[in-house]
Amino acid sequence: KAGVTQTPRYLIKTRGQQVTLSCSPISGHRSVSWYQQTPGQGLQFLFEYFSETQRNKGNFPGRFSGRQFSNSRSEMNVSTLELGDSALYLCASSLDRTTYNEQFFGPGTRLTVL
Amino acid sequence: QKEVEQDPGPLSVPEGAIVSLNCTYSNSAFQYFMWYRQYSRKGPELLMYTYSSGNKEDGRFTAQVDKSSKYISLFIRDSQPSDSATYLCAMSRSSASKIIFGSGTRLSIRP
Repeated sequence: KAGVTQTPRYLIKTRGQQVTLSCSPISGHRSVSWYQQTPGQGLQFLFEYFSETQRNKGNFPGRFSGRQFSNSRSEMNVSTLELGDSALYLCASSLDRTTYNEQFFGPGTRLTVL
Repeated sequence: QKEVEQDPGPLSVPEGAIVSLNCTYSNSAFQYFMWYRQYSRKGPELLMYTYSSGNKEDGRFTAQVDKSSKYISLFIRDSQPSDSATYLCAMSRSSASKIIFGSGTRLSIRP
């Protein structure tokens, strides 16, 4: 069974631009969560989607948004990029909300903002 | 104060040693406790998952939860160089709540 896939793996943008990251969950998994990982703040929860609806949200500004499609694939978007948005963005999937604590992570997208 | 505190290390031990990794937390509502392992340039992988207090063993790994002390531990027996990674503790209030991660402990096993 294929794992969680994320595209692109690496991305370089400049301040003020916007970016869209993509995540394909494990086949059959319906819950997708996004996290930001930085050396200073560690792994921080961005949001969780289930059945195309945002179910949980972390403490990030509105520049960070996401969506989930009917096939459970998810995208996250960051608008008006800032230098501090440079991070590893991780996507994780689980079967459904009752197995939310048993998540499988993708390899991440490394975003660098110049 | 962070909800979950974890010593960042680095922690270096000789091969074959018993490793103890720990986290403390402040929110008594946490009920689900997880340990993840993250190799360099990879996403975290779930190692252990426990609900409420008690111990759970899986091969060389043992997870302990002491809710009265708000303290969780991961023990690795007969440590191997392949165990060298960053270990993240994580916890949540319910199976549908957002998961809060510790900052991770970098572990190195010397051959």
